[in-house]
Amino acid sequence: DPKIIQKPKYLVAVTGSEKILICEQYLGHNAMYWYRQSAKKPLEFMFSYSYQKLMDNQTASSRFQPQSSKKNHLDLQITALKPDDSATYFCASSLGQYNNQAPLFGEGTRLSVL
Amino acid sequence: QQQVRQSPQSLTVWEGETAILNCSYEDSTFDYFPWYWQFPRESPALLIAIRPVSNKKEDGRFTIFFNKREKKLSLHITDSQPGDSATYFCAASAYNQGKLIFGQGTKLSIKP
Repeated sequence: DPKIIQKPKYLVAVTGSEKILICEQYLGHNAMYWYRQSAKKPLEFMFSYSYQKLMDNQTASSRFQPQSSKKNHLDLQITALKPDDSATYFCASSLGQYNNQAPLFGEGTRLSVL
Repeated sequence: QQQVRQSPQSLTVWEGETAILNCSYEDSTFDYFPWYWQFPRESPALLIAIRPVSNKKEDGRFTIFFNKREKKLSLHITDSQPGDSATYFCAASAYNQGKLIFGQGTKLSIKP
């Protein structure tokens, strides 16, 4: 059974709409991340959270907002969607921010913006 | 700015040969280098990782060679198998930073 659950697996949205990508992990990890993968930029770091606190944000646009309601949850809200946002969004987690431990990736949410 | 670079972009070798994938980096604060592999329509999965205290890390047919002075590393896959066909990503992180910086990937194809 997958230990990092991402919902939905596939998502089609219209330009200008808003979507929330869900991520929850059952590994007991304290650090969670969002990465994005598209044809233009293979694997791009977006955000990192440690103990529900934002640690790093490499996303220039405020349209992308992570939300952590519980330690094992890190959702990603995307507003005013654009076709360029089409990508696979991967949630990942690791034991801790400071352990230099390679994160484990979820199965991803494939987003298409029309 | 591309901090982690991989070459070649794609590589084809015959089954049983050794595949060599290259990676270089710019940031001297990087001190952890995991390699991930990714199969089509799947998520990246950790394959092997190295820290600069070592210049070599081996796990079965997979070996990382690390040259700190030149800021280069390479992944050697010996006795390549068709099941090794995947995209391989070199990544790097700095101490006390959880985020990974990924290279563009090398698409490896093994011909039977």
